[in-house]
Amino acid sequence: KQEVTQIPAALSVPEGENLVLNCSFTDSAIYNLQWFRQDPGKGLTSLLLIQSSQREQTSGRLNASLDKSSGRSTLYIAASQPGDSATYLCAVRYRGSQGNLIFGKGTKLSVKP
Amino acid sequence: EPEVTQTPSHQVTQMGQEVILRCVPISNHLYFYWYRQILGQKVEFLVSFYNNEISEKSEIFDDQFSVERPDGSNFTLKIRSTKLEDSAMYFCASKPGPTDTQYFGPGTRLTVL
Repeated sequence: KQEVTQIPAALSVPEGENLVLNCSFTDSAIYNLQWFRQDPGKGLTSLLLIQSSQREQTSGRLNASLDKSSGRSTLYIAASQPGDSATYLCAVRYRGSQGNLIFGKGTKLSVKP
Repeated sequence: EPEVTQTPSHQVTQMGQEVILRCVPISNHLYFYWYRQILGQKVEFLVSFYNNEISEKSEIFDDQFSVERPDGSNFTLKIRSTKLEDSAMYFCASKPGPTDTQYFGPGTRLTVL
């Protein structure tokens, strides 16, 4: 079964710390992988999209890497801020699908001032 | 910046009633999706829609569910006879091309009593 797992489930860090969120997927035949941010009771905001041919993508303080062979992606957040507090979701589009995304359960991040 | 919009933001209904959830995708997008998220659980794919037909659907998307793009701008999800377990946040998403990022709406919270 094609699944996506995220660890840790929750993370609390002091402001200014660099941190890494992990995502693993069971099947290396992926089309792309997307990281989202979800604020409580809100929709999903796309952060980064990595195509299967890419190794990493960067946007501001965010850097996402992809290692298909090991079935892993990491989201690196530099110099964390209280405004980064949210749940971060990893989602994979597997090959053979028509575009649907398989989501992990997310990592709930709390950045304390 | 263009956004996916959804109405209503919250819908309360009695078990057995029909509900229609509405979405307005971004105007030049061609691929449309519905997902749901039961409280505390993963975001789950329901259905994808392209070229005026369903391109893929999950096991959740049974005969009680249907989708429609009635007028070239709206994209609707109908649940014919709601059950308690249909209570969830329902997200609409769209994207312009097959390899592009999916953009999510803010969601409709459906509560079935």
